[in-house]
Amino acid sequence: GAGVSQSPRYKVAKRGQDVALRCDPISGHVSLFWYQQALGQGPEFLTYFQNEAQLDKSGLPSDRFFAERPEGSVSTLKIQRTQQEDSAVYLCASSFDYQGSQPQHFGDGTRLSIL
Amino acid sequence: KNQVEQSPQSLIILEGKNCTLQCNYTVSPFSNLRWYKQDTGRGPVSLTIMTFSENTKSNGRYTATLDADTKQSSLHITASQLSDSASYICVVSANTGFQKLVFGTGTRLLVSP
Repeated sequence: GAGVSQSPRYKVAKRGQDVALRCDPISGHVSLFWYQQALGQGPEFLTYFQNEAQLDKSGLPSDRFFAERPEGSVSTLKIQRTQQEDSAVYLCASSFDYQGSQPQHFGDGTRLSIL
Repeated sequence: KNQVEQSPQSLIILEGKNCTLQCNYTVSPFSNLRWYKQDTGRGPVSLTIMTFSENTKSNGRYTATLDADTKQSSLHITASQLSDSASYICVVSANTGFQKLVFGTGTRLLVSP
């Protein structure tokens, strides 16, 4: 596609529910990143994939957060047993190079609200 | 701790005027410094990327500077337009095997007619 696509754009869930957020990167981009952006703050790194390999997940806040990219293209960020502090915008970015040294292209994010 | 600080937090200027946004960072090992523009409800869009050896880079009406010695950067916007109203985020990349981005909290710019 022409850009990074994320779905859904908005997600409302009750505390304790599981959610899954999807990211379609730009075709051919090998590097994929997930970020969490709280209201009024800059994005914070969650995890990094190089093709299907998850090379860094040091930013994931807890073991309730899980990300995968099984075929090296589409990625899913899953949050289990959601809590109110999980409310944020989740951004996905991709880059065509292996290290992400080139500009990272961002999607418009999924705004997650936990009630 | 890796940190990126930006000032001012917010800014209002009249259409056609210039402005300069500031960024200070403590990120190691430093790889490059980026400026992004983020419209409300949208993802960030890259404006410039500067490596250690570059001290200025332009993209249209946007000019970024970098002083790697003092760990400071600025973004200068010339002849502002209403469409420049957005958050401008300074991002420093730490080379940890891949480009791990450390984001500032942004400067919210409002260009008023």
